[in-house]
Amino acid sequence: EAGVAQSPRYKIIEKRQSVAFWCNPISGHATLYWYQQILGQGPKLLIQFQNNGVVDDSQLPKDRFSAERLKGVDSTLKIQPAKLEDSAVYLCASSLAGNEQYFGPGTRLTVT
Amino acid sequence: KQEVTQIPAALSVPEGENLVLNCSFTDSAIYNLQWFRQDPGKGLTSLLLIQSSQREQTSGRLNASLDKSSGRSTLYIAASQPGDSATYLCAVRLSGNTGKLIFGQGTTLQVKP
Repeated sequence: EAGVAQSPRYKIIEKRQSVAFWCNPISGHATLYWYQQILGQGPKLLIQFQNNGVVDDSQLPKDRFSAERLKGVDSTLKIQPAKLEDSAVYLCASSLAGNEQYFGPGTRLTVT
Repeated sequence: KQEVTQIPAALSVPEGENLVLNCSFTDSAIYNLQWFRQDPGKGLTSLLLIQSSQREQTSGRLNASLDKSSGRSTLYIAASQPGDSATYLCAVRLSGNTGKLIFGQGTTLQVKP
């Protein structure tokens, strides 16, 4: 069974530029999560989808971050404009009915 | 507000030692607790998941315990090997929530040959 796929794996941008990350969850997993992991810290949930709908986006900086999950499968997370403090690893995870979460390899973002 | 703390932040041991990693949480109303392993530049790999009704889970050389009343969990690694070197993260899922995990900051383990 294929795992959670993410791309790109690495991205370097300048501040004020925009960037987008893509995630393809495990087939059949209705719940999808985006986490932000700053160096030396544990991951922090940014947004959670159940199928197409947003379940929790309470910690998403909505002035610059947006996310969508079209057709209840793939998801994209966008940052516009990026700030230096957005440098982090962005992890996507999926689960079946909100149970055990399976994580992708992450996208490492560096904002210069 | 649920807070998860892991101590120590870093640990270095010689190969073959048994070791314990600690995780504490402030709200005992959890649905489950999960231990993950993270290798440098990689995603998270789930090691053990303990439901709130369970006291421990075992997988190979790993044993995780859960004491909800005291807000503590431990991950015991027997006969450590250099390949165990990684960051270990614990995460709790709160009762009644949608599956959101609250993570500790991790313990970085180095096992020296």
